[in-house]
Amino acid sequence: EVQLVQSGAEVKKPGESLKISCQGSGYSFTSYWIGWVRQMPGKGLEWMGNIYPGDSDTGYSPSFQGQVTISADKSITTAYLQWSSLKASDTAIYYCARRRQRTIEGFDIWGQGTMVTVSS
Amino acid sequence: IQLTQSPSSLSASVGDRVTITCRASQGISSFLAWYQQKPGKAPKLLIYAASTLQSGVPSRFSGSGSGTDFTLTISSLQPEDFATYYCQQLNSYPLYTFGQGTKLEIK
Repeated sequence: EVQLVQSGAEVKKPGESLKISCQGSGYSFTSYWIGWVRQMPGKGLEWMGNIYPGDSDTGYSPSFQGQVTISADKSITTAYLQWSSLKASDTAIYYCARRRQRTIEGFDIWGQGTMVTVSS
Repeated sequence: IQLTQSPSSLSASVGDRVTITCRASQGISSFLAWYQQKPGKAPKLLIYAASTLQSGVPSRFSGSGSGTDFTLTISSLQPEDFATYYCQQLNSYPLYTFGQGTKLEIK
């Protein structure tokens, strides 16, 4: 079964660092882009950026460039989203998603989401 | 590229035909996908390339459009279709913008 499994919910304080994960299985992990999407409480979906695990090529939305880092470890078929200094406004659910091999075909497999709560 | 969905919310009854529109601020050819999201769940791909039905998605869902104007139509609403729907453009890398969403509620 093709799936993306994300790490569990996190509760952090402002200023702390965090790295959440997204492990792919059931397909060739290095051959598909993985994207990250933010959903703040009660709000819509926001595109953050993506990575190609085959060569770690990354692209970021201007809104998130410099705010987060996307990485991948192909040896363990896992992509990551990390923050060096969290803010309360980073409180959200974060989804990873697999892009099909042709861009026009969209993101077909989604992780279950990771809830991140940042509060003092 | 900005995507504007309309309406933002919609009340409809089981059996109704429903249409949601998505307008892009500039031409995106057919690089548009539609997703369905239910409360507490991850989004689900319904339509890609503006009009191609994702495998396993019921045929009552259809998409059309090209350039700047797109529509998602549900031909006969079923109880499980009440959810929030998002369009996403995939033309402008690395910013694959989403529309603001359309919440479909039971009348």
